[in-house]
Amino acid sequence: GAVVSQHPSWVICKSGTSVKIECRSLDFQATTMFWYRQFPKQSLMLMATSNEGSKATYEQGVEKDKFLINHASLTLSTLTVTSAHPEDSSFYICSARTAKETQYFGPGTRLLVL
Amino acid sequence: QKEVEQNSGPLSVPEGAIASLNCTYSDRGSQSFFWYRQYSGKSPELIMFIYSNGDKEDGRFTAQLNKASQYVSLLIRDSQPSDSATYLCAVITLNKFYFGSGTKLNVKP
Repeated sequence: GAVVSQHPSWVICKSGTSVKIECRSLDFQATTMFWYRQFPKQSLMLMATSNEGSKATYEQGVEKDKFLINHASLTLSTLTVTSAHPEDSSFYICSARTAKETQYFGPGTRLLVL
Repeated sequence: QKEVEQNSGPLSVPEGAIASLNCTYSDRGSQSFFWYRQYSGKSPELIMFIYSNGDKEDGRFTAQLNKASQYVSLLIRDSQPSDSATYLCAVITLNKFYFGSGTKLNVKP
């Protein structure tokens, strides 16, 4: 199957700082990538759809100014959590969609905001 | 009504038994169907996809699709404790991905 990587795998930061998470499709080009958040024992929650070369589409209730998404190339999307607060602590997972419409997930990034 | 519905479980089966996971979807126009497995603390991984009515087998896994009844199921033969995880059903409808909330499977040794 296709491979998607994420970096970093975990990050601890102080409240008020910004954190950037990278998502890369390693062996295929992805015009569309997705960002999810998952709290412990809860379902995946889609945050936004990242489209190469255009603005991301955010789900209802997700603040676009807080969660900045940049899909700069066909293999890279970044999520920046700006002015992070403890309530932003979560498991952030990206996925990339192949030409055959299948989504492959990255390994996820654990964010802990102190 | 949710696009994709799954019983949250947990579904408990003894080791060696067949585990049957079910999923229903609301839109008859849905075209592609996927099963993902998510271990606790990990991200989902794709197990199988199915596009056509009928069965599709891959090792111990069989996906079954019935478009007339709008359900898709996943059978796991000879269940192993390592199969214990949450199984997510996903459907593409109008070019958009929808995930179910997942069914937790426990395989008891």
